[in-house]
Amino acid sequence: AQTVTQSQPEMSVQEAETVTLSCTYDTSESDYYLFWYKQPPSRQMILVIRQEAYKQQNATENRFSVNFQKAAKSFSLKISDSQLGDAAMYFCAYRSAGNTPLVFGKGTRLSVIA
Amino acid sequence: DAEITQSPRHKITETGRQVTLACHQTWNHNNMFWYRQDLGHGLRLIHYSYGVHDTNKGEVSDGYSVSRSNTEDLPLTLESAASSQTSVYFCASSENPGQVNSYEQYFGPGTRLTVT
Repeated sequence: AQTVTQSQPEMSVQEAETVTLSCTYDTSESDYYLFWYKQPPSRQMILVIRQEAYKQQNATENRFSVNFQKAAKSFSLKISDSQLGDAAMYFCAYRSAGNTPLVFGKGTRLSVIA
Repeated sequence: DAEITQSPRHKITETGRQVTLACHQTWNHNNMFWYRQDLGHGLRLIHYSYGVHDTNKGEVSDGYSVSRSNTEDLPLTLESAASSQTSVYFCASSENPGQVNSYEQYFGPGTRLTVT
């Protein structure tokens, strides 16, 4: 079974600085998707960014980018120019290429300091 | 606009009672999922369905059941609520692989359930 590990339960960053959240996963599959979800205090699950395993290029969405290292099974999220609105719980998630549910990590709570 | 809704948003119930949490989506997605979120555990899969009359057990299915009688709804039933089932419950849906945006799961707003 696939597993997702987020080793940082909590992180903090100064406003306007850059922070990196770590995620590792374990799988024997070669084709899969990886995701970062943001959960603000409203509890809504918001998709931040996704990465297809077959793509070598790292995904980028505005201030959010990933460092995808397939051989190392690592998928970190970098947030640049951090803003107060980035404060939230962040979940890393894995999904097989087929029709399968998501497997989540335990989450990292990010605080942004003004 | 298409959406996924959950009701109730908050519920308090007593140990031993049967509770049903509703999930309704207007995306016309075949795939629907129930997760529970607990501090220190992230989101864990309870049950899921790939279509009408299809249901499958997830990682933490004991004490829960689902049924899928139409495309839009996947109600989650706690047969006899226990304090260990106090949690936040999320419903999600997704399109079949090969469809546009099939990689993404769309989440409902969550239901906070307290079992006393």
